[in-house]
Amino acid sequence: DAKTTQPTSMDCAEGRAANLPCNHSTISGNEYVYWYRQIHSQGPQYIIHGLKNNETNEMASLIITEDRKSSTLILPHATLRDTAVYYCIVRVAINTGTASKLTFGTGTRLQVTL
Amino acid sequence: NAGVTQTPKFRILKIGQSMTLQCTQDMNHNYMYWYRQDPGMGLKLIYYSVGAGITDKGEVPNGYNVSRSTTEDFPLRLELAAPSQTSVYFCASSYSMETQYFGPGTRLLVL
Repeated sequence: DAKTTQPTSMDCAEGRAANLPCNHSTISGNEYVYWYRQIHSQGPQYIIHGLKNNETNEMASLIITEDRKSSTLILPHATLRDTAVYYCIVRVAINTGTASKLTFGTGTRLQVTL
Repeated sequence: NAGVTQTPKFRILKIGQSMTLQCTQDMNHNYMYWYRQDPGMGLKLIYYSVGAGITDKGEVPNGYNVSRSTTEDFPLRLELAAPSQTSVYFCASSYSMETQYFGPGTRLLVL
């Protein structure tokens, strides 16, 4: 499985952009990069995903390098409610491609402060 | 839409007892999944289903069973609870191999 490497923790001031890096150097050509976050012990919340191109939605932007070996999640204006554990995940096909799984690592704990 | 709902929210079991964790989704998703999350760790896949009547093992299936008789429901059964099954259990659903959406979780303590 393609593994991801993320910093254990990061801090960000409220109102500033939070840039969360992720390394996935063993990713295969057809594997997507997904970002989820988990606030306290709630269920993981989907943020964004991408394959090759940069993506943006109402929550965040995802920047994927041209070689696809790393990506950055950007929260443009972090608020206290964005304090959470952020997971960078490579979606892997299983069972001869009829299904997929998300392999969660330990993620990055983002602390947004006043 | 309620999305993915799970019951109960919290349960204490004695060693050897059995229980069923319930999961229901109202998004008409064909794929459903069960994950467990141990303290300070990421989620690990227990079982998944690609449609009613079809289930398959994930990474950590031992000690668990599942069934999928309807599109909406995907219960997880623990037959003989063990302390190693103390964890938080998350159910998720998706439309085929697209984005998975998670429920709020069931916290299980086996003593």
